[in-house]
Amino acid sequence: QQQVKQSPQSLIVQKGGISIINCAYENTAFDYFPWYQQFPGKGPALLIAIRPDVSEKKEGRFTISFNKSAKQFSLHIMDSQPGDSATYFCAASHLWGGATNKLIFGTGTLLAVQP
Amino acid sequence: KAGVTQTPRYLIKTRGQQVTLSCSPISGHRSVSWYQQTPGQGLQFLFEYFSETQRNKGNFPGRFSGRQFSNSRSEMNVSTLELGDSALYLCASSPGTSGGQETQYFGPGTRLLVL
Repeated sequence: QQQVKQSPQSLIVQKGGISIINCAYENTAFDYFPWYQQFPGKGPALLIAIRPDVSEKKEGRFTISFNKSAKQFSLHIMDSQPGDSATYFCAASHLWGGATNKLIFGTGTLLAVQP
Repeated sequence: KAGVTQTPRYLIKTRGQQVTLSCSPISGHRSVSWYQQTPGQGLQFLFEYFSETQRNKGNFPGRFSGRQFSNSRSEMNVSTLELGDSALYLCASSPGTSGGQETQYFGPGTRLLVL
């Protein structure tokens, strides 16, 4: 019940196309859903995050769509660029009964944007 | 501000040995979390420290331990190393001012190889 399932495992998109990565969760206590981007040799970096009180959040070319009833959320990258080629992780958390920054991560999606 | 630093960056050990990894958080950050990243299991939460106290723990055996010092620097220790402990160990820091679910800033990781 603590898992976050992420798909696809890998994704190839043409430059200028839309990249879509999906995540699903079971634990209805989760109330914070960030997406992290990781380049080779680097640690993950926060891209965008959403809470269940909104169904969509947009920051530049990156949009999170959230479906609370389906317990699913997705990342859309518009106008994908070669520089977006990286591994993307969805994550989820709740406060586990107290203050914490603990995150449960999805398994990751390796995105390759072809020029 | 300088980012999260981790030392050493690479480490080779043999089975049965123990290892200590170090993490220096962003200046002013009081929360430090540790994650293990492997190709098979992805990113898994090890533990979180805040003000020198462990405030959350993942599902890892007791061979994995950590501590935090008064300057917020943190160390993690793995005793009696096993081959399966080979992984990238990531440290993340957060301000620790808002009760949790904060943006986490990851270091580049320590890559541990157990032979």
